[in-house]
Amino acid sequence: GESVGLHLPTLSVQEGDNSIINCAYSNSASDYFIWYKQESGKGPQFIIDIRSNMDKRQGQRVTVLLNKTVKHLSLQIAATQPGDSAVYFCAENIHNFNKFYFGSGTKLNVKP
Amino acid sequence: DTAVSQTPKYLVTQMGNDKSIKCEQNLGHDTMYWYKQDSKKFLKIMFSYNNKELIINETVPNRFSPKSPDKAHLNLHINSLELGDSAVYFCASSQPGRATNEKLFFGSGTQLSVL
Repeated sequence: GESVGLHLPTLSVQEGDNSIINCAYSNSASDYFIWYKQESGKGPQFIIDIRSNMDKRQGQRVTVLLNKTVKHLSLQIAATQPGDSAVYFCAENIHNFNKFYFGSGTKLNVKP
Repeated sequence: DTAVSQTPKYLVTQMGNDKSIKCEQNLGHDTMYWYKQDSKKFLKIMFSYNNKELIINETVPNRFSPKSPDKAHLNLHINSLELGDSAVYFCASSQPGRATNEKLFFGSGTQLSVL
């Protein structure tokens, strides 16, 4: 399934399916992007990052895609598990400027 | 060992009171932050300190006063608390300029409820 991260939408997927979470970022000068996962009652945790000189980066079960032309970022989670249930945020940064701007988040709900 | 720790985890207080939240990081980072997360989960930067110096103040009311006694600590004092201050406050740290450490490391948050 897919979702656009506006006003905390919820994406519900079945365990084992792939998830795609989307994010539109605002500043064309941003050159570093991070996806964070926030579980209930906890602080955001780093998942994966990507720099603007790349358009794809893969981690363990996660892939981030960057489309600078349309200022769009996506997080793909393969074989989604119940432990992946959380709110996911994208964050953008301009290199060496000590400020990250966060998107509004998408809640991922994994059904067993 | 917790990398970024903040206390207290919960803070319930009356309007008009003054309260403080403390944050410590043991990552050796030079930069620390305070972020505010509202009821819709939106995360917004409030302050950033680099090596004890204030470098970002995002038009936060001056009732909020951060203090950094050393680069491992960044505390947040809030005067005359208002209902609208109710939120979760996150401390974070990073090391900008070092490729592997530019990401933010967050504490577990302080849920502030103003009654």
